[in-house]
Amino acid sequence: DAGVTQSPTHLIKTRGQHVTLRCSPISGHKSVSWYQQVLGQGPQFIFQYYEKEERGRGNFPDRFSARQFPNYSSELNVNALLLGDSALYLCASSSQGRESEKLFFGSGTQLSVL
Amino acid sequence: AQSVAQPEDQVNVAEGNPLTVKCTYSVSGNPYLFWYVQYPNRGLQFLLKYITGDNLVKGSYGFEAEFNKSQTSFHLKKPSALVSDSALYFCAVSASSGGSYIPTFGRGTSLIVHP
Repeated sequence: DAGVTQSPTHLIKTRGQHVTLRCSPISGHKSVSWYQQVLGQGPQFIFQYYEKEERGRGNFPDRFSARQFPNYSSELNVNALLLGDSALYLCASSSQGRESEKLFFGSGTQLSVL
Repeated sequence: AQSVAQPEDQVNVAEGNPLTVKCTYSVSGNPYLFWYVQYPNRGLQFLLKYITGDNLVKGSYGFEAEFNKSQTSFHLKKPSALVSDSALYFCAVSASSGGSYIPTFGRGTSLIVHP
């Protein structure tokens, strides 16, 4: 089975632009979470979706939004990009989104904002 | 609020020697504890987790971790380190109640195993 896939792998944008990142979870997984990982830091939680409903949101501004589709894939959107948005964006999936479940991570999208 | 502390930014160990990567946590309620490993330009990979039961948890690639409730610690260990173990290691905690069911990650510890 394929693992969690993310696209694109790398992205370069300029300040003020908009970006859409995409994630396909492992087949059968209904929960998708998004994390931001800045160099030298651990992953910071952005969103969790389960069965197309938002179940959790981290401490990120409203410029960040996400959605989950009927096939459980997900998009993360960031508007009005700032230099500080440069980071590795990780998508993770799990079967039910429960606190005891391990997460399966994709390889991430490296976003550079110039 | 729940939190994880990984007090060492970097751990250096010689190949064949035992290794320990430290993690302490703070959470309301019963903790669920995890270790993940990240290789360069890759996402995180699950190593092991503690949910309940035996305080010594065995995981992938010969790693194990010991849950200590009184010290609120969950240190990662391996009896004999390999050069290929060199990577970034993250501890994470979530909670069954009282805290957040969404895992909080530490800032990571870089493990360097010297030949």
